[in-house]
Amino acid sequence: SQQGEEDPQALSIQEGENATMNCSYKTSINNLQWYRQNSGRGLVHLILIRSNEREKHSGRLRVTLDTSKKSSSLLITASRAADTASYFCATVLYSTLTFGKGTMLLVSP
Amino acid sequence: DAGITQSPRYKITETGRQVTLMCHQTWSHSYMFWYRQDLGHGLRLIYYSAAADITDKGEVPDGYVVSRSKTENFPLTLESATRSQTSVYFCASLGQMNTGELFFGEGSRLTVL
Repeated sequence: SQQGEEDPQALSIQEGENATMNCSYKTSINNLQWYRQNSGRGLVHLILIRSNEREKHSGRLRVTLDTSKKSSSLLITASRAADTASYFCATVLYSTLTFGKGTMLLVSP
Repeated sequence: DAGITQSPRYKITETGRQVTLMCHQTWSHSYMFWYRQDLGHGLRLIYYSAAADITDKGEVPDGYVVSRSKTENFPLTLESATRSQTSVYFCASLGQMNTGELFFGEGSRLTVL
């Protein structure tokens, strides 16, 4: 069964706004990752946060992890039209990644 | 060029036929994976391989066969295709163990009529 579940399923915002996506999971993890998928393409790794980390930044991305609540959030600041894509969280236990169903983000100019 | 490539990118077949999707990576990564992506289900793991000649089932292995005779190749075979196997299939390889980053191919879109 799916480990991670993203929320919301779809998000529509204007350029310049921030976008926040959430991920909840059910069991222990080694780390949690976020991926991006443009339409018709493969997934691309964005950021990884380890189970002993609480927050991580990479450019306009900010990821938080709360292992007590088994949840993570991905914040994209100052969004651009080019950020339009689907975003997936993936929970990692040993060498296996399990993906959620994704959040579709639409950023309008 | 270094990377992970899948072939064919698009395939239409008929129910009952055998289909093989190819996956090739140039990094010599030990771990490789096959996922299928379906609307409403996200990505689901079919099979994975920890090294040459070592494979294991994922979440949805029924109807699929894999092999890994060489580190760089990880083909996925549908022995007798069914309509429920219409999907987009992604191959991926795992980067360094301490980073855990997956590198994905561009996908193979399979339609079973």
